[in-house]
Amino acid sequence: GAGVSQTPSNKVTEKGKYVELRCDPISGHTALYWYRQSLGQGPEFLIYFQGTGAADDSGLPNDRFFAVRPEGSVSTLKIQRTERGDSAVYLCASSLGAGELFFGEGSRLTVL
Amino acid sequence: DQQVKQNSPSLSVQEGRISILNCDYTNSMFDYFLWYKKYPAEGPTFLISISSIKDKNEDGRFTVFLNKSAKHLSLHIVPSQPGDSAVYFCAASATSNYQLIWGAGTKLIIKP
Repeated sequence: GAGVSQTPSNKVTEKGKYVELRCDPISGHTALYWYRQSLGQGPEFLIYFQGTGAADDSGLPNDRFFAVRPEGSVSTLKIQRTERGDSAVYLCASSLGAGELFFGEGSRLTVL
Repeated sequence: DQQVKQNSPSLSVQEGRISILNCDYTNSMFDYFLWYKKYPAEGPTFLISISSIKDKNEDGRFTVFLNKSAKHLSLHIVPSQPGDSAVYFCAASATSNYQLIWGAGTKLIIKP
């Protein structure tokens, strides 16, 4: 497809479980971003990739969160030992260099 | 500490009239501002932006005004149309930092 694709669109898990969220950016976009949006708030920055490397992971809330982008395209956000407070919509965006961010539809994570 | 604030959670406007959405910021290092529009179950989409060297940017029915001394920006939509009903997010960044800092959003409802 032409846009940013995120899977799954919805994920319900139990507290303590491990979760992976996938992002397929727009082809050719070198920059990839993960944001988290909690209910009633704006998106919060988590991590930014330029190519394969995490250029800035200062927004990751703690060491339970990790993200990879091994081939400079698809990225996976990994959350270990999920907690109820991790429930949110996780948004992925990509851009061509420093240009406009294009967002996916998000992955809604619910931790019971 | 919210660096970008949208103090109106919602706004209702008659179709055909002007919609004015407001945003305030606290960080004087911000020099680039963006408005995003979000429909339910979709990711945010870029609407319009403004650099701090300007005080106005216009794109069709959408105009963004920036008042640097007041650390305030506003988005004007005229005339408002039913398809404009959405949540509007204000976001800001400093050129030295690609991270976007977002407001909590304003839900705009256009009444027929």
